[in-house]
Amino acid sequence: AQSVTQLDSQVPVFEEAPVELRCNYSSSVSVYLFWYVQYPNQGLQLLLKYLSGSTLVESINGFEAEFNKSQTSFHLRKPSVHISDTAEYFCAVSDSSSNTGKLIFGQGTTLQVKP
Amino acid sequence: ETGVTQTPRHLVMGMTNKKSLKCEQHLGHNAMYWYKQSAKKPLELMFVYSLEERVENNSVPSRFSPECPNSSHLFLHLHTLQPEDSALYLCASSQDEVAGYTQYFGPGTRLTVL
Repeated sequence: AQSVTQLDSQVPVFEEAPVELRCNYSSSVSVYLFWYVQYPNQGLQLLLKYLSGSTLVESINGFEAEFNKSQTSFHLRKPSVHISDTAEYFCAVSDSSSNTGKLIFGQGTTLQVKP
Repeated sequence: ETGVTQTPRHLVMGMTNKKSLKCEQHLGHNAMYWYKQSAKKPLELMFVYSLEERVENNSVPSRFSPECPNSSHLFLHLHTLQPEDSALYLCASSQDEVAGYTQYFGPGTRLTVL
């Protein structure tokens, strides 16, 4: 069975500061990894994903995440956050051999960006 | 319409009511999903449909009944729900494994059971 642990339930940070949201997963099989963001009263938006290839993946709005197989981690980072980045962030994992794409989600991390 | 749409956005129902949630995807995908998002709990997968066939039922109570009449539409029929079923119900769709079954979500239906 797979599981995802997001180590911080809330991360407060000042605007323009760097941030790291931590995600660790447990799986006995090869995985795909995803980060989703959820703004208040909205659904989940795909932020970035790792399927294969380069272990460093980037989003269009400045976030990046690095797949570390030995540490079973997929931490999300941004060098300088904006007020508009305030949201809940979910890390998710799926079995790369799955024929359904079933996602297992972490509990979420609330990023609170303060002015 | 673009992406994944869900209606209604908000629903309040009594325990004896019957209602349905609707999801429509405009992305040409061939798989659709229902998730439940409760406060303080991780998102829970409920059902998966691939090519209009149910391929996963994640031990969901029978008071939730999904229907997938075609690859663009997904319904969740609700009857005799309990207050603990109050949650945000999210629909998602994906294409095949070429894209790792990357899922795209709708805005959700906020359900309140009185």
